[in-house]
Amino acid sequence: DTGVSQDPRHKITKRGQNVTFRCDPISEHNRLYWYRQTLGQGPEFLTYFQNEAQLEKSRLLSDRFSAERPKGSFSTLEIQRTEQGDSAMYLCASSPYEQYFGPGTRLTVT
Amino acid sequence: EDQVTQSPEALRLQEGESSSLNCSYTVSGLRGLFWYRQDPGKGPEFLFTLYSAGEEKEKERLKATLTKKESFLHITAPKPEDSATYLCAVQAPDKLIFGTGTRLQVFP
Repeated sequence: DTGVSQDPRHKITKRGQNVTFRCDPISEHNRLYWYRQTLGQGPEFLTYFQNEAQLEKSRLLSDRFSAERPKGSFSTLEIQRTEQGDSAMYLCASSPYEQYFGPGTRLTVT
Repeated sequence: EDQVTQSPEALRLQEGESSSLNCSYTVSGLRGLFWYRQDPGKGPEFLFTLYSAGEEKEKERLKATLTKKESFLHITAPKPEDSATYLCAVQAPDKLIFGTGTRLQVFP
């Protein structure tokens, strides 16, 4: 299967710790997106890459959040000094046009 | 401001009981309307893209339609395995704006 993969699938961390998530897109897709989803809500856009260039960032993406996509391949999303409000499902998607989502990383901040 | 509203929030159907889910949208220049299915604890699964009013697409028991202000997802003779949350989203312009979804439960 060559779908979008995300690692880890679950992460439990203590408030104040840093966490990093990885996304591997479908290989021929040049666009990669990060979304955040909380219970009962639809996914909310965080940021978007075309190849290695980060083209758009949401106002939701505070200074504690940073994303990279070196060489236009996989992407990482880092959250520094986690807060309880960061608890959510973090979803990655890739596209040529329609966005195909990965299984998500569920983050719990205690 | 671009916005997507889905109704109802939740829907319980008996197996075989057809129904429709609604997605109302406001967007400056529709570049595409998307339907996804999401099972608990999983990422959204792409179903359909609609681009212009009057367009329809079908897949098994699902049919999506589009007007200038809303989209409908029609479910014909649903089965328990159709139980999921159905999400609607609009492309605006390089990201998707999602509604909150309709939780569908189909019971035998």
